[in-house]
Amino acid sequence: EPEVTQTPSHQVTQMGQEVILRCVPISNHLYFYWYRQILGQKVEFLVSFYNNEISEKSEIFDDQFSVERPDGSNFTLKIRSTKLEDSAMYFCASTFGVSGPSTGELFFGEGSRLTVL
Amino acid sequence: GESVGLHLPTLSVQEGDNSIINCAYSNSASDYFIWYKQESGKGPQFIIDIRSNMDKRQGQRVTVLLNKTVKHLSLQIAATQPGDSAVYFCAGGTSYGKLTFGQGTILTVHP
Repeated sequence: EPEVTQTPSHQVTQMGQEVILRCVPISNHLYFYWYRQILGQKVEFLVSFYNNEISEKSEIFDDQFSVERPDGSNFTLKIRSTKLEDSAMYFCASTFGVSGPSTGELFFGEGSRLTVL
Repeated sequence: GESVGLHLPTLSVQEGDNSIINCAYSNSASDYFIWYKQESGKGPQFIIDIRSNMDKRQGQRVTVLLNKTVKHLSLQIAATQPGDSAVYFCAGGTSYGKLTFGQGTILTVHP
């Protein structure tokens, strides 16, 4: 069964360092997302991406965050200068959506845990 | 603004019982509502969704009910099994896949 894969599974970094989280969405999917989950809290939307541009972003997704689809398979989230409060599990998700996603069936990866010290 | 939240943080049931997990939402512009299951160390897994113009939808062992009058969503799991133990999230979604998740309910199924 196709799945969304994410790397690394866990990254520890120093405050102020740049971090890149990588995702390989399901191959025929058109819509891509990043969500995050701070430990013990709910999953929060960060950004959606379609047709090589950001469709929507949340207030969390400030200038320190960026996304990119550098080739036909990878989808990355970059945090330029990490802060302590960026420590969370980051989930990549994708969906096919012929004319826009019409259901909640986003396929999530297993997450990348980011720890900022 | 839009928010989605849960009534109860934990639910314990015996194997074979039916489980009902509840969720409230407020001022929602969601086109649909979804239930996700999250097992420890894994990403959310889609269970079932319901469009905002429906009031009931059934899947395999699961039923979602939507009451727009009181802005309430529930997930019913029939014949709950130990493998159903997980955190269950409700979420509201828009046409472009932006999901607003609730806080989560921990379901524990005792053998």
